[in-house]
Amino acid sequence: SAVISQKPSRDICQRGTSLTIQCQVDSQVTMMFWYRQQPGQSLTLIATANQGSEATYESGFVIDKFPISRPNLTFSTLTVSNMSPEDSSIYLCSTEGRDGYTFGSGTRLTVV
Amino acid sequence: DAKTTQPPSMDCAEGRAANLPCNHSTISGNEYVYWYRQIHSQGPQYIIHGLKNNETNEMASLIITEDRKSSTLILPHATLRDTAVYYCISHDNFNKFYFGSGTKLNVKP
Repeated sequence: SAVISQKPSRDICQRGTSLTIQCQVDSQVTMMFWYRQQPGQSLTLIATANQGSEATYESGFVIDKFPISRPNLTFSTLTVSNMSPEDSSIYLCSTEGRDGYTFGSGTRLTVV
Repeated sequence: DAKTTQPPSMDCAEGRAANLPCNHSTISGNEYVYWYRQIHSQGPQYIIHGLKNNETNEMASLIITEDRKSSTLILPHATLRDTAVYYCISHDNFNKFYFGSGTKLNVKP
């Protein structure tokens, strides 16, 4: 299965600023997915990112708040824009693997 | 949206089998049942998946009822390191992975 390197692993950010999270896959993959996990909650899908096209966002998530890039088949970024304390969460990327989905190790974001 | 239901928490004694149930009564014919676990808010880890036959690997066994409306994940000899949140997901190759609320398994010494 694909191996995903995600960074940063954690960050503390000031409200009103933006943070870009990167995910690098060790093989070419068609689709990548971004999830958010709020404290004590399950994972919620934010969007699906295909190379060469705009990301598809789930209900409740918008591109202005969570712009996504997918410049090639091994890389994707998620930006959390104009952050507020409510954005404090773990953000995870994933992609399809041989056995279901493979996940990055997550980015723990704290907004102060 | 998640199409599975699981109990919010379960306890299991160390060394005993942990049996985690999942209800997926609306599963369609081409959807697999996947099980993942998440330890300490790390990225979810794949455990096992199946379509209609029972499956076993080095980590666990998956028992799927004949009508496919429910399944059970079995950890044959639970250890303290198996304490985690376990997610049951129904998925086919065309849908996205949606997580339900999962079961928090507490393995106790």
